[in-house]
Amino acid sequence: DSGVTQTPKHLITATGQRVTLRCSPRSGDLSVYWYQQSLDQGLQFLIQYYNGEERAKGNILERFSAQQFPDLHSELNLSSLELGDSALYFCASSARSDTQYFGPGTRLTVL
Amino acid sequence: QQPVQSPQAVILREGEDAVINCSSSKALYSVHWYRQKHGEAPVFLMILLKGGEQKGHEKISASFNEKKQQSSLYLTASQLSYSGTYFCGTEEANYGQNFVFGPGTRLSVLP
Repeated sequence: DSGVTQTPKHLITATGQRVTLRCSPRSGDLSVYWYQQSLDQGLQFLIQYYNGEERAKGNILERFSAQQFPDLHSELNLSSLELGDSALYFCASSARSDTQYFGPGTRLTVL
Repeated sequence: QQPVQSPQAVILREGEDAVINCSSSKALYSVHWYRQKHGEAPVFLMILLKGGEQKGHEKISASFNEKKQQSSLYLTASQLSYSGTYFCGTEEANYGQNFVFGPGTRLSVLP
């Protein structure tokens, strides 16, 4: 158990819909990272937050947005969902710029 | 820019050694190594920082050649539990740059 929690575990929705994925980092970790992993694909970095502020941005679509709240939990919002958005979404946390501890992931299926 | 990993896949017998390489065209600040088993979240192995260093933990070690922007992961006397996909992740030397994972190397250890 990495100490990072993600909810929900599974999410099934339809095209055009909007969903919110939630991540609670390990106690004391200020950084939160979001990744997308499509079936049998590598890890695509989406975005990083550090203590509530956006720190780095990867190939995140405009339909996607994220934020980190004062209690350090983070949410990833995915809107106008397309079939191609079906993937495993991981959140990871770290104390600074070092070891990233990954949550178990949220499997999103868009039908 | 995504780092390049080689080989793409490797099959070993228990007890054999393997080397996985990761290289980037960008000046790097750090290289991270992770292992992901099928259906699970990636698990941190080690991080190597700019300055060129070698780290090790039991039979898994890694090196970082700053001049070549290349890192290698060494697995000696492989065990069945080493099977999985190994990802390197790179952080560029410029502050705030993306953290990018390589495409992964699939390692299979057979009895």
